[in-house]
Amino acid sequence: QSVLTQPPSASGTPGQRVTISCSGSSSNIGSNTVNWYQQLPGTAPKLLIYSNNQRPSGVPDRFSGSKSGTSASLAISGLQSEDEADYYCAAWDDSLNGPYVVFGGGTKLTVL
Amino acid sequence: EVQLVQSGAEVKKPGESLRISCKGSGYSFTSYWISWVRQMPGKGLEWMGRIDPSDSYTNYSPSFQGHVTISADKSISTAYLQWSSLKASDTAMYYCARHHCGGDCQPFDYWGQGTLVTVSS
Repeated sequence: QSVLTQPPSASGTPGQRVTISCSGSSSNIGSNTVNWYQQLPGTAPKLLIYSNNQRPSGVPDRFSGSKSGTSASLAISGLQSEDEADYYCAAWDDSLNGPYVVFGGGTKLTVL
Repeated sequence: EVQLVQSGAEVKKPGESLRISCKGSGYSFTSYWISWVRQMPGKGLEWMGRIDPSDSYTNYSPSFQGHVTISADKSISTAYLQWSSLKASDTAMYYCARHHCGGDCQPFDYWGQGTLVTVSS
């Protein structure tokens, strides 16, 4: 059971816009920024969005992030076949003896 | 170019010990923390713990505290993840990742390629 809650799957057709949600609590998303990682099949995770809505250099502007309260979301517009991957949200958690990193369980995105 | 290069795949028996490594290059190794992340077969990412290579301060996820040891040798820019007695349930891919911690901790901006650990009798 992951600390952050994501839907296990999402899907869309090429060109569509899809969103992936991530729900947490006051000790993690509620008090820290959210980061998103993309994991293509058979590869290491890659930083996709940081500080809720910032894109690292090289990440297309089709990817965007937002946060409100204890929830966050990742949006992918103009869906492409190469976007088929697992997506994880993550945040630092200020619980006792922390800080810790907590991840969502991951969302498998299928491009139909 | 920033790189984190991990040691190769391992096949071990239950009860054996193991240490895997993560060598940083292309940046000041002591300026960034190293975290370790587990991914069991077909499952999601789990944060195990982190180390500050400048002074070897560590903190662990409660789920992994006491089960693994994280260490670092700053003289060779290498972090380690160690088990004293492996179990079959330790079978997983293990990733190292770097991040900066100042007032707040930053995201994992570079990751190693992963080390597959298989524990089987």
